[in-house]
Amino acid sequence: EADIYQTPRYLVIGTGKKITLECSQTMGHDKMYWYQQDPGMELHLIHYSYGVNSTEKGDLSSESTVSRIRTEHFPLTLESARPSHTSQYLCASSEGQAKALNTEAFFGQGTRLTVV
Amino acid sequence: GEDVEQSLFLSVREGDSSVINCTYTDSSSTYLYWYKQEPGAGLQLLTYIFSNMDMKQDQRLTVLLNKKDKHLSLRIADTQTGDSAIYFCAEKEDSSASKIIFGSGTRLSIRP
Repeated sequence: EADIYQTPRYLVIGTGKKITLECSQTMGHDKMYWYQQDPGMELHLIHYSYGVNSTEKGDLSSESTVSRIRTEHFPLTLESARPSHTSQYLCASSEGQAKALNTEAFFGQGTRLTVV
Repeated sequence: GEDVEQSLFLSVREGDSSVINCTYTDSSSTYLYWYKQEPGAGLQLLTYIFSNMDMKQDQRLTVLLNKKDKHLSLRIADTQTGDSAIYFCAEKEDSSASKIIFGSGTRLSIRP
């Protein structure tokens, strides 16, 4: 069974605040991802990680930052939230070996962020 | 850059078949996926197909791939109310690729 968790599920926060969205997986996956999804729009990759101490920016430019100090943990941080950051943020993980046959990516339930 | 496109809405009668279509632009796509997202839930992988396959069937689900036209479809036979969800098409270049490109999702609604 997939075990990937995001907290909080919902967050309403004022402009200028620093926030961290948490993502944890217990599957030992090397690869982890953050996607941003606006209502009715496609998923956009904003960050990904190959493993510990590896982080890369995705296709969509984002003011957020990520860190990967532990395999199971991939938090996303916004230093100063703005209304334009209002969106849903989805975390995912998948197995990392280059020749992995498993092509499945597991997703968390998402964090719906509203910045007022 | 890579792009994946889907129609936004589909409405079908309960018991009929649903066909959700997707087109993609990256000719090097190796893995193509269908994900399901129910209200308030995360994305769930429904099925996937390798680019060297034309068709894959799994119970009520049939995936058809036309690689020449870069067209992927998901057919749900005997559609039930529990199939109401948003269905995302996605593609990945190869097994070592770190990113999966998603379409905008098709919202499937079921009429009684």
